[in-house]
Formats: sequence, C-alpha cells, structure tokens
Amino acid sequence: SQTIHQWPATLVQPVGSPLSLECTVEGTSNPNLYWYRQAAGRGLQLLFYSVGIGQISSEVPQNLSASRPQDRQFILSSKKLLLSDSGFYLCAWTGMYGYTFGSGTRLTVV
Amino acid sequence: QKEVEQNSGPLSVPEGAIASLNCTYSDRGSQSFFWYRQYSGKSPELIMFIYSNGDKEDGRFTAQLNKASQYVSLLIRDSQPSDSATYLCAVNMFGNEKLTFGTGTRLTIIP
Repeated sequence: SQTIHQWPATLVQPVGSPLSLECTVEGTSNPNLYWYRQAAGRGLQLLFYSVGIGQISSEVPQNLSASRPQDRQFILSSKKLLLSDSGFYLCAWTGMYGYTFGSGTRLTVV
Repeated sequence: QKEVEQNSGPLSVPEGAIASLNCTYSDRGSQSFFWYRQYSGKSPELIMFIYSNGDKEDGRFTAQLNKASQYVSLLIRDSQPSDSATYLCAVNMFGNEKLTFGTGTRLTIIP
C-alpha cells in the first residue's frame, strides 16, 4: 500500500535560519507531489507541486523553494525564514481518489 | 470571489442528530469534489469524494452534489462526539489534479 512520510513533526526555528522539510512516498512510482501550508485559522494554501523529478511549479511567490531530487522525494527549503513562514506544512500525493496527506510539520518561527 | 466557500462555523450539533455541511464553488468546470476531515493538530484525511450529480452514501456519511447550483454538501447521520473536527471541501477541474480547498467548517458534536 502507498504511504507518505513527512518529517520532522515539529520544528522551532529562529528568524533568518534555513529550513529543510522532507517528504517521501512509498508504494507508488512517479507520483504527483504537493506542498501545502496551513496558517493558524486559515485554509490550505498550495505552495508547490511536482509532476516528476526536477519539475517544480510554484504557486505563490515567497522565500520558499522546493526540489524533487528523486522520484518519491520532495523537499521544501528556505534560505532565511521569516516570521510569516510559521504554519502547518503538509506534503501530499495524488492517488486514484484525491490527495493523501502526510502527517505534517508544525513550524514555528521565533 | 473565493473559488471554494464554506461557512467557517462553528457548527454545533447534538449527538445523534444530522450534521449538514455545505460548500459552494465558483468554477463551472469543476469536476471532482472531495470532503476531508481534519482533527485539531492533525493532517486532513479523505472522507468522501463525488463526481456525479446526486447523492453518494458511505456508512453514516452522504455527499450530495448539485452542479447546476454549484454546491456540494456532506451529511453526517447519527453524529458522534468523534465527528467533532474541521471539515474541508475541495474541488478540482477536469484534467487538473490540483485541488482547491475551502477554509473549512468547524463542527462540534455536543454530547
């Protein structure tokens, strides 16, 4: 069966520090992968999606970037975090029936 | 105009009653419709999806779609305290796997 792993679960980072969040998928090949952010009390905002290795589409201009170095690996990065980057970051892949989400990373920028 | 709109709630429903959650969408090209449940601090999990007009039932859950009126709803029968969560409506268009989410409705089941 397909599973999606996301880590770390929680992260507290100072303003200006770098960020790297990782997501991996098992049990499927060539998945479409997505990074979403959910700010406190707000909806899910699509940040990036990828249809294959090295193929990244950005939905929202910001200081974040994404990379897909392997078929089932999707990484979200930042060189310098801002306070506004705080939120709940979710990785997802599309199966036959909608998205399956990872367990999420709660990022607090202090 | 928001693409997918939901009443943010909170919606309070007595235990055992029917909870009715509604969602409207703006793009008539929307083809697939999904309901996700999100417990506080957790990631969303898929409850139901619906593609065709009418009702689709799965256990205590019924999704209803009316493309002419551009709304989709979720009914939860015999509501339980464990149904207390935020329910997210999501929509995608033909040929586009990207989902657009509403902001969610917070549902509280009162014992």
